[in-house]
Amino acid sequence: DTAVSQTPKYLVTQMGNDKSIKCEQNLGHDTMYWYKQDSKKFLKIMFSYNNKELIINETVPNRFSPKSPDKAHLNLHINSLELGDSAVYFCASSQGINRGGQPQHFGDGTRLSIL
Amino acid sequence: GNSVTQMEGPVTLSEEAFLTINCTYTATGYPSLFWYVQYPGEGLQLLLKATKADDKGSNKGFEATYRKETTSFHLEKGSVQVSDSAVYFCALSGSGGYQKVTFGIGTKLQVIP
Repeated sequence: DTAVSQTPKYLVTQMGNDKSIKCEQNLGHDTMYWYKQDSKKFLKIMFSYNNKELIINETVPNRFSPKSPDKAHLNLHINSLELGDSAVYFCASSQGINRGGQPQHFGDGTRLSIL
Repeated sequence: GNSVTQMEGPVTLSEEAFLTINCTYTATGYPSLFWYVQYPGEGLQLLLKATKADDKGSNKGFEATYRKETTSFHLEKGSVQVSDSAVYFCALSGSGGYQKVTFGIGTKLQVIP
């Protein structure tokens, strides 16, 4: 039933480690996104893929590397984790690259805490 | 570039009170406008949307009207419930080719019995 699912839901790890977050959508959408939400709830776009092609790449450290093996999956790998990476990371999907009125569907988020 | 200005919270209301959360935007062309709601521990979910001027979006008793003359999309509800306690985000997506969604800062609503 779940439309956009992310794993894991919680991720607690040490500074300097490398970790991955996975996202899958079963809505048949062709566009997927990663967002970062800070402690004040501010939402910032990080990346977007359309049909496995990177179309948005905001000013994000090189330690963050997205990967889309197919249009239903978008993963996020983070190298050398830093304290400032602590946040909630949301995956989202939508349909249509040139259709501005299409809403985005969000997963429940991955809460990343760096010790 | 596009921008969304949303009132800062938190907004605290008693149950059955009237709710207004202000949202104004800056964009070229004819953007689509959205309100998303985020309940504690969950992701954002679409509450309502409007894609052209004078359109009214509505859902679950919430309404917002796309006002191009005032570049606004204020969210209203006549009688809030405790279950409406959440963070509300105003957002827009531009027109003409691929445009990323621009979100406001979010307004936290707390409804007390």
